[in-house]
Amino acid sequence: SQTIHQWPATLVQPVGSPLSLECTVEGTSNPNLYWYRQAAGRGLQLLFYSVGIGQISSEVPQNLSASRPQDRQFILSSKKLLLSDSGFYLCAWSVGLTQSNEKLFFGSGTQLSVL
Amino acid sequence: KNQVEQSPQSLIILEGKNCTLQCNYTVSPFSNLRWYKQDTGRGPVSLTIMTFSENTKSNGRYTATLDADTKQSSLHITASQLSDSASYICVVTKIRNSGNTPLVFGKGTRLSVIA
Repeated sequence: SQTIHQWPATLVQPVGSPLSLECTVEGTSNPNLYWYRQAAGRGLQLLFYSVGIGQISSEVPQNLSASRPQDRQFILSSKKLLLSDSGFYLCAWSVGLTQSNEKLFFGSGTQLSVL
Repeated sequence: KNQVEQSPQSLIILEGKNCTLQCNYTVSPFSNLRWYKQDTGRGPVSLTIMTFSENTKSNGRYTATLDADTKQSSLHITASQLSDSASYICVVTKIRNSGNTPLVFGKGTRLSVIA
């Protein structure tokens, strides 16, 4: 069966420090991978998505970047965190989304607090 | 503009009662609509998925309806339990065009079931 791992679960970082969140998927090949952010009281905001190794699409201009060095690995990074980067970050995967039997599976999330 | 609006923003009900959550969307072209349940501090989990031709779909005590003509969906929860306390997110998938991401998320309805 397929599983998605996301870590760490919580993270407290000072302003200006770097960030690296990692997400890996097991049990599937060539998944679509996504990074979302959920600010308090807000809906999920898509940050990046990837349809293959080295293929990254950015949805919102921001202080963050993403990389996909391997088929089932997706990394969210920042060189210098801002206070506004605080939020709940979710990694997700899917194998297509346009068919009714295709689902989007989420990781357990990382709560990032930038102080 | 592709949008998904959910109502109410929050809801408190007594254990054992029924409730209905609403989702209106303007996403086009439409592929399917999904309802997710998100427990606090966790990633969303899929409840139902409906395509254009489906009017209703059930998953245990959860029943989702879709009116593609009026672009409205509802999620009905029967005989609520304390464990139903969560955020319920409506997500509409649009047919993917090159360079566009297909998912549009609502901000969710926060349901609290009390004894």
